[in-house]
Amino acid sequence: DGGITQSPKYLFRKEGQNVTLSCEQNLNHDAMYWYRQDPGQGLRLIYYSQIVNDFQKGDIAEGYSVSREKKESFPLTVTSAQKNPTAFYLCASSMDSPSEKLFFGSGTQLSVL
Amino acid sequence: GESVGLHLPTLSVQEGDNSIINCAYSNSASDYFIWYKQESGKGPQFIIDIRSNMDKRQGQRVTVLLNKTVKHLSLQIAATQPGDSAVYFCAENGPRQNFVFGPGTRLSVLP
Repeated sequence: DGGITQSPKYLFRKEGQNVTLSCEQNLNHDAMYWYRQDPGQGLRLIYYSQIVNDFQKGDIAEGYSVSREKKESFPLTVTSAQKNPTAFYLCASSMDSPSEKLFFGSGTQLSVL
Repeated sequence: GESVGLHLPTLSVQEGDNSIINCAYSNSASDYFIWYKQESGKGPQFIIDIRSNMDKRQGQRVTVLLNKTVKHLSLQIAATQPGDSAVYFCAENGPRQNFVFGPGTRLSVLP
């Protein structure tokens, strides 16, 4: 089945710890995105990548980092600099950016211990 | 987007009735719009999209209406079923823009 796989589904972070969320897609999409979802709010863009080895900051990039070494993979690291990391994180991809529909993964819920 | 806190607007409908969910978008330059459905703890699922050269588009049991004059988008669901219970949100984008997402509306289908 083609799609976007996010792992883990649940993740817990200790104070001062960096954690990495995985996102893999087999849709052969060029563009990939990371969004943060907080209760009652619209999705907010953290980082996006239109092509391998290139990525751009979104609206709320502070405290996060990404890499795009392979077309299929776009991992997100939540660093210790992100003081309020508890949220539902969604990875998405599209064939081209930015005017094509986004396909989403199933999300990772990150909580702070 | 503007925060509405923890409480989303909620629409409650009887099973079998039609549902209409509304969305006001912000950018008059936006030319592509999508409706997504999101069930609890899951990722958003594409429902239907529309480009600004159209006023209406129909899918299976769903219709999207676009009113560019007042920057308003609506999603109509015919014969609403229990499986339609979810949060529905709209997304807009335009040239050289990334998508902007609304906070969503919770649809609750009553038996």
